[in-house]
Amino acid sequence: QKEVEQDPGPLSVPEGAIVSLNCTYSNSAFQYFMWYRQYSRKGPELLMYTYSSGNKEDGRFTAQVDKSSKYISLFIRDSQPSDSATYLCAMRGSQGNLIFGKGTKLSVKP
Amino acid sequence: EAGVTQFPSHSVIEKGQTVTLRCDPISGHDNLYWYRRVMGKEIKFLLHFVKESKQDESGMPNNRFLAERTGGTYSTLKVQPAELEDSGVYFCASSHLGTGGYNEQFFGPGTRLTVL
Repeated sequence: QKEVEQDPGPLSVPEGAIVSLNCTYSNSAFQYFMWYRQYSRKGPELLMYTYSSGNKEDGRFTAQVDKSSKYISLFIRDSQPSDSATYLCAMRGSQGNLIFGKGTKLSVKP
Repeated sequence: EAGVTQFPSHSVIEKGQTVTLRCDPISGHDNLYWYRRVMGKEIKFLLHFVKESKQDESGMPNNRFLAERTGGTYSTLKVQPAELEDSGVYFCASSHLGTGGYNEQFFGPGTRLTVL
């Protein structure tokens, strides 16, 4: 069983839609949960991180962590074409390294 | 302030040849990480330096890979001899050496390695 599972998509939505991206994980010791955004031919860029369970909001983005279900989500409200990218969930391992999901490729159509 | 830089951006080599990838972290970042993404797979951790010392090299696939960080500044990752399965995108990331909490890892643009 992979440590982090993420549906690679692709996911295509119209502009203005609410986007829901999800990951599941297997290691209950994870405490830090990250969402990275990666544009084509660029490196991953941190969008948000959450410590332990709960919600965190930043503008149009909301991250949720449910540790009881080992499930994390990223919601994007009022999606824009500029949000088109690959979204990667990641957890911090015990040595500080990041453990990534495969990434979900999102396309927001004007 | 400059971000993490990596050189070259793309390298195409023949199987059996040697390639050296370079990473320049953000100035002042003591943590330096190498990751790799093979086509169709997730980004995977290779190793972690704290200053010039290897803190964790549990992700290194085999002894054909050698990483160095002399002087605790830039790092190199050498693959010798390269095999077909080494093809992928190699990312470098750096972060501050924190005493607790979360320290964001900043990623470079990656080096795309193609082994023919």
